[in-house]
Amino acid sequence: DIQLTQSPSSLSASLGDRVTITCRASQSISSYLHWYHQKPGKAPQLLIYATSTLHTGVPSRFSGTGSGTDFTLTINGLQPEDFATYYCQQGYMTPWTFGQGTTVEI
Amino acid sequence: QMQLQESGPGLVKPSQTLSLTCNVSGGSINSDGYYWAWFRQFPGKGLEWLGYSYRTGNAQYNPSLKSRISISVDRSKNEISLTVTSVTAADTAMYYCARTKLSGRVDPWGQGTLVTVSS
Repeated sequence: DIQLTQSPSSLSASLGDRVTITCRASQSISSYLHWYHQKPGKAPQLLIYATSTLHTGVPSRFSGTGSGTDFTLTINGLQPEDFATYYCQQGYMTPWTFGQGTTVEI
Repeated sequence: QMQLQESGPGLVKPSQTLSLTCNVSGGSINSDGYYWAWFRQFPGKGLEWLGYSYRTGNAQYNPSLKSRISISVDRSKNEISLTVTSVTAADTAMYYCARTKLSGRVDPWGQGTLVTVSS
């Protein structure tokens, strides 16, 4: 199975901050890397797919970059609704796998 | 706007069979190019892909559960079903159904249903 390692596992940030979360794959996954966020008691929601394409309705302060094994999610100008847990997921090969999550806290 | 809603027993006894249903509204499971998947999230928050099925019934499963899992689609009811046999406490989790593409992109997700395995 392809392992995805996110860092950091958690971070504290303030409104307006720039936040960067990284996701490293145990082997190349091309651009088949997707990002989700999840708020307490809710299902995960798609943020970015195929490394860098924003899902419909996702604000432009979110961006994704990377290829191969190293990927990054950036939030420029943290907003109150962005405090959540973020997961990366690879769709390159089954079994699809997820990173362990990064919790963004105030 | 497509919505998915999971349903099924919240409590299952060890060694028994877990059966869940996912009703799809606002769209058809007959849509070309979409696969219908199940995921679960453990109490420690880790997410696991269980498997998916196409509208034809062609399915693929996570090898970690391969011998215990079955996913099927009912096009007449616009529903997807999940069956996991011989459950143990390790199967306690929030179970989600979702629409996916073969690229692995998952959207939308159902709201989830909590299943506890306990005697």
